[in-house]
Amino acid sequence: NAGVMQNPRHLVRRRGQEARLRCSPMKGHSHVYWYRQLPEEGLKFMVYLQKENIIDESGMPKERFSAEFPKEGPSILRIQQVVRGDSAAYFCASSQTGRDTEAFFGQGTRLTVV
Amino acid sequence: AQSVSQHNHHVILSEAASLELGCNYSYGGTVNLFWYVQYPGQHLQLLLKYFSGDPLVKGIKGFEAEFIKSKFSFNLRKPSVQWSDTAEYFCAARSYNTDKLIFGTGTRLQVFP
Repeated sequence: NAGVMQNPRHLVRRRGQEARLRCSPMKGHSHVYWYRQLPEEGLKFMVYLQKENIIDESGMPKERFSAEFPKEGPSILRIQQVVRGDSAAYFCASSQTGRDTEAFFGQGTRLTVV
Repeated sequence: AQSVSQHNHHVILSEAASLELGCNYSYGGTVNLFWYVQYPGQHLQLLLKYFSGDPLVKGIKGFEAEFIKSKFSFNLRKPSVQWSDTAEYFCAARSYNTDKLIFGTGTRLQVFP
């Protein structure tokens, strides 16, 4: 049973380009969380999704950021028109249900905006 | 707003010293509580979790945590740390009301031989 898979592991984008980060949850998991990690700032919640639904996106910036978790395929975190401040490690986690289950983390995608 | 607080940002210990890392969460009601560890350059791994039942939870690598509902706390402990415990430790909480999993800012632990 493969763990949570994130790709790419490293992504370099120029300012103004789009970044697409992918997260394939563990088999049987229908809940996905996305987090951003900056040095000295811990893990900041971005968005919580279930299949085909965004449950809570209170941590997402209002502009340029979007997320989806389609019926088939991985969850995608999309950042349009990237800026230097978007440089960070982005982690996703998946769980079977929303409560009373643990969340498993992927290896993360390190985004660098140049 | 839901939040998780970790008051120790950076802890430095010698091997064999005892460890206690504080964690407090802000919301009432039923919660799930977790401690995760992140070794340098790696992803987060679960140390232990509390869903219900015995408030003293034992995890991997000799770690344990105690849920004290009246204090909204879930402190992590280890009687005798090792150099290999050097890592960043994150406390997390999930409220039954929202299912949102929120993390504290983390505690960096350095253990010197």
